[in-house]
Amino acid sequence: EDQVTQSPEALRLQEGESSSLNCSYTVSGLRGLFWYRQDPGKGPEFLFTLYSAGEEKEKERLKATLTKKESFLHITAPKPEDSATYLCAVQEAYGGATNKLIFGTGTLLAVQP
Amino acid sequence: DTEVTQTPKHLVMGMTNKKSLKCEQHMGHRAMYWYKQKAKKPPELMFVYSYEKLSINESVPSRFSPECPNSSLLNLHLHALQPEDSALYLCASSAQGFYGYTFGSGTRLTVV
Repeated sequence: EDQVTQSPEALRLQEGESSSLNCSYTVSGLRGLFWYRQDPGKGPEFLFTLYSAGEEKEKERLKATLTKKESFLHITAPKPEDSATYLCAVQEAYGGATNKLIFGTGTLLAVQP
Repeated sequence: DTEVTQTPKHLVMGMTNKKSLKCEQHMGHRAMYWYKQKAKKPPELMFVYSYEKLSINESVPSRFSPECPNSSLLNLHLHALQPEDSALYLCASSAQGFYGYTFGSGTRLTVV
């Protein structure tokens, strides 16, 4: 069965203090790895999709990377507005074009001014 | 339109009530999903619809009944729920194949 593990569970940073979040996964065949941001009481907001090892994507202060067994979300010089829960998810094929996203437990990021 | 719209945003219902959650998208996506999320937990898949047909049911109790009347609409009918069913219910949609999901803002359900 596919598994997704995120670490750390919670991370507190000072504004401007760069760091990385980890997502390790075991899947029979990776169809895609996704990063989402979720604010309290809201739905997850799509950030990145990664499909193959070595792939990298960037958006403002965020950069996602992918290896064969894990993905990292690097946060450079974070601001308080980056505070949120960051969710990693892997896509599992079910049959035909049907698939499902399996989420990790998330990392709760708090950036203090 | 790149949004998934869920209504209502909040719902309080008694254990004997019948209510429905509604989800709508106009992105031409042919796959739609219901997820349940408890506090401080990740979203858990409940149902998957592909081309308006139910393709995955993750062993969800029958007190939850999904319906996909057309390619833009997804409903979740609720009946005789338990207090432990209180959660954030999220709807999502995606293009067919291996693409990311677009999530709605969710319905916060409280069962009393």
